Amino acid sequence: TQLLEQSPQFLSIQEGENLTVYCNSSSVFSSLQWYRQEPGEGPVLLVTVVTGGEVKKLKRLTFQFGDARKDSSLHITAAQPGDTGLYLCVFVDSNYQLIWGAGTKLIIKP
Amino acid sequence: NAGVTQTPKFQVLKTGQSMTLQCAQDMNHNSMYWYRQDPGMGLRLIYYSASEGTTDKGEVPNGYNVSRLNKREFSLRLESAAPSQTSVYFCAASHSVLAGVAYEQYFGPGTRLTVT
Repeated sequence: TQLLEQSPQFLSIQEGENLTVYCNSSSVFSSLQWYRQEPGEGPVLLVTVVTGGEVKKLKRLTFQFGDARKDSSLHITAAQPGDTGLYLCVFVDSNYQLIWGAGTKLIIKP
Repeated sequence: NAGVTQTPKFQVLKTGQSMTLQCAQDMNHNSMYWYRQDPGMGLRLIYYSASEGTTDKGEVPNGYNVSRLNKREFSLRLESAAPSQTSVYFCAASHSVLAGVAYEQYFGPGTRLTVT
């Protein structure tokens, strides 16, 4: 069974702080996506990472794909209340199955 | 463009009742999905349809059936609802799924289902 583990499960920090959340797998995957889900809504894609060692930036969000393509991280600089949400990672395995992590619930307090 | 729409938004059922959740997309995507989301468990795939006319089981298909009525519509049916099916249900659409390739999934707003 392939698993995608996300850590931490829950994180609550003050506005202006930095944070990093992680997505780890026992399997190698060719690409991975990060989604953000706000309360009462469906997830929305933030980024897709494809190449081992790849780093992508989206304003204050920095996404990194591990060299071995088994892990990924999301770093937020100077977190804002608008960053509050559930952060989910997902990949498609070789059997066309979508493997989702359980998510990191992030709360940014003003 | 409405994207992905779901009806109803809220539903309360009694154990044993049946119902169909509707989903439609106007993005001309081939693949559609049904997920359930429970607290602390992320998204779990119930069924998906890689293209019109095909459906396949996901991680948690028991107690559900699906119909890909046409390219736009993908419905989820609960034949005999159970309290364990209390959850938030999301429909999504994307380009065709290929092995190892993650295309963007577009999600509907969800249906909040309570089974008493």
